[in-house]
Amino acid sequence: AQSVAQPEDQVNVAEGNPLTVKCTYSVSGNPYLFWYVQYPNRGLQFLLKYITGDNLVKGSYGFEAEFNKSQTSFHLKKPSALVSDSALYFCAVRDNTDKLIFGTGTRLQVFP
Amino acid sequence: DAGVIQSPRHEVTEMGQEVTLRCKPISGHDYLFWYRQTMMRGLELLIYFNNNVPIDDSGMPEDRFSAKMPNASFSTLKIQPSEPRDSAVYFCASTQGLAGTDTQYFGPGTRLTVL
Repeated sequence: AQSVAQPEDQVNVAEGNPLTVKCTYSVSGNPYLFWYVQYPNRGLQFLLKYITGDNLVKGSYGFEAEFNKSQTSFHLKKPSALVSDSALYFCAVRDNTDKLIFGTGTRLQVFP
Repeated sequence: DAGVIQSPRHEVTEMGQEVTLRCKPISGHDYLFWYRQTMMRGLELLIYFNNNVPIDDSGMPEDRFSAKMPNASFSTLKIQPSEPRDSAVYFCASTQGLAGTDTQYFGPGTRLTVL
């Protein structure tokens, strides 16, 4: 079955430092991978997706993610974190019935 | 565009009562999803529709839960009777095109508390 794993419940980073939020996946066939962000008391917002093509995907708010097939990873990155990036981040994969399977989420806390 | 609209934003009810959550998807979107979010179970897909037809309801937890989409601009999720363990945030999302490859747009959610 298709699945994603987010091994970190929380990531703490100082403002201005680079950030990485980890995601690994398990799929049969080609993976369709997504990152979504959830701010407090809001619904999820799409950040970026990998369907095919370049392994480095650029998304909203300066975020990017690198698809690594050999490591079955799709880590979310940003070169310089902002306090306003503090939120809950979800990795997701499309399953073979065309649904999105979300990870458990990683809380990103950016400290001033 | 106003985005996905959900109502009510908050609902507090007593065990045994019927609860109806409402969703208006983005105009032109042909897929609609209902999710439930809890601390214990994370984000779970309950059911999704394509062109108003339920496609997959395997995530609906029990017969107490039902969902309808009478037209392209409206969907309901009903819980009858409600139980305290149904307390969660319920999200509606919509998209256009292939459900698994296109961006899903989420509503603000309905926070349900069952006492």
